[in-house]
Amino acid sequence: KQEVTQIPAALSVPEGENLVLNCSFTDSAIYNLQWFRQDPGKGLTSLLLIQSSQREQTSGRLNASLDKSSGRSTLYIAASQPGDSATYLCAVEDTDKLIFGTGTRLQVFP
Amino acid sequence: GAGVSQSPSNKVTEKGKDVELRCDPISGHTALYWYRQSLGQGLEFLIYFQGNSAPDKSGLPSDRFSAERTGGSVSTLTIQRTQQEDSAVYLCASSSHRGGYGYTFGSGTRLTVV
Repeated sequence: KQEVTQIPAALSVPEGENLVLNCSFTDSAIYNLQWFRQDPGKGLTSLLLIQSSQREQTSGRLNASLDKSSGRSTLYIAASQPGDSATYLCAVEDTDKLIFGTGTRLQVFP
Repeated sequence: GAGVSQSPSNKVTEKGKDVELRCDPISGHTALYWYRQSLGQGLEFLIYFQGNSAPDKSGLPSDRFSAERTGGSVSTLTIQRTQQEDSAVYLCASSSHRGGYGYTFGSGTRLTVV
């Protein structure tokens, strides 16, 4: 059974810091890995999608890497801003559904 | 449409009543999923539709929960005889294909059972 774990569960940093959020999964047979952002009381916004054949994806200040063999992904956020404050969710797609981690709650203070 | 649309955005219902939640996926997306997010919990898979295939209902928590997808497009999640533990945000997502193409989520329906 696929299990997804995210570390840390919560993170509070001053504005401007570079951040690394970690995601690990137990079964490497995945179609892809997707990082989402969730603001309080809101739905999920897709940030980055990494196909199983890819090793990383970049969008603006965000960079996500994927190492299938070790069952790990990292989300790197450069020059963090207060607007980045949200919960970040990692999800892997295996067979026919997304399996989510429990998320990292990020707070960036001015 | 441009995104996944869910209605209502908020629903307050009395314990024991039935509720229907609606999801309108992105046009042309063949795969549709329902997830549930309870307060302080992760996202829990409920049900999955792919084209005209029989749905994967393995995540439905009880027989009070059912879902249908008409014409391969709009989906309705029905909860019968609601209980307080059904209070959660119900999220719908669609994908253009099974496996590997990413998911787009709607904004969710916040259900409160009083």
